Amino acid sequence: QKEVEQNSGPLSVPEGAIASLNCTYSDRGSQSFFWYRQYSGKSPELIMFIYSNGDKEDGRFTAQLNKASQYVSLLIRDSQPSDSATYLCAVRETGGFKTIFGAGTRLFVKA
Amino acid sequence: DAGVIQSPRHEVTEMGQEVTLRCKPISGHNSLFWYRQTMMRGLELLIYFNNNVPIDDSGMPEDRFSAKMPNASFSTLKIQPSEPRDSAVYFCASTRAGADYGYTFGSGTRLTVV
Repeated sequence: QKEVEQNSGPLSVPEGAIASLNCTYSDRGSQSFFWYRQYSGKSPELIMFIYSNGDKEDGRFTAQLNKASQYVSLLIRDSQPSDSATYLCAVRETGGFKTIFGAGTRLFVKA
Repeated sequence: DAGVIQSPRHEVTEMGQEVTLRCKPISGHNSLFWYRQTMMRGLELLIYFNNNVPIDDSGMPEDRFSAKMPNASFSTLKIQPSEPRDSAVYFCASTRAGADYGYTFGSGTRLTVV
């Protein structure tokens, strides 16, 4: 059973701080990794994807991938109260289209 | 682009009744996915289609669940008969196959079986 593990949180950070969200996965052959944000009562929306080892930056968001450690992370710089949501890590299955989602980490940014 | 369109947004039904959920994917997307989300189990993949063909239905809980995609712009997920444990939010998502694109999710259908 392929798995994607995340700390369920909640993770609470003050406004302006860096929020660090982590994820591990079991399928060593996975090539594509995604972060989705889900506000309460809404559907998940894609915010980042990464498939090369290292860092990928997009505005205040940085995704980090370490395939050797099977570890993906998302950093949110200058956190804002509007970033308060559940962040879902997702891993695409090797050679296929199926994507496995983690249970998500709830983030609270305190004003 | 109207995005992925699901209907209905909310459905309340009595145990034993048939429920049909509908989805219109984004035009040009050739992969479609049905997910179910609950607090206990998170997002679970039920079934997915590629070019209207079901590829993997291993996540469908049991024979009470069925899904079809008669054409590139429409899919249905049917539950017959429905049970209270089917209560969840059901999401449809679509993407372009063959590329590292993420999914675009619909707004979901919140199903309550009483």
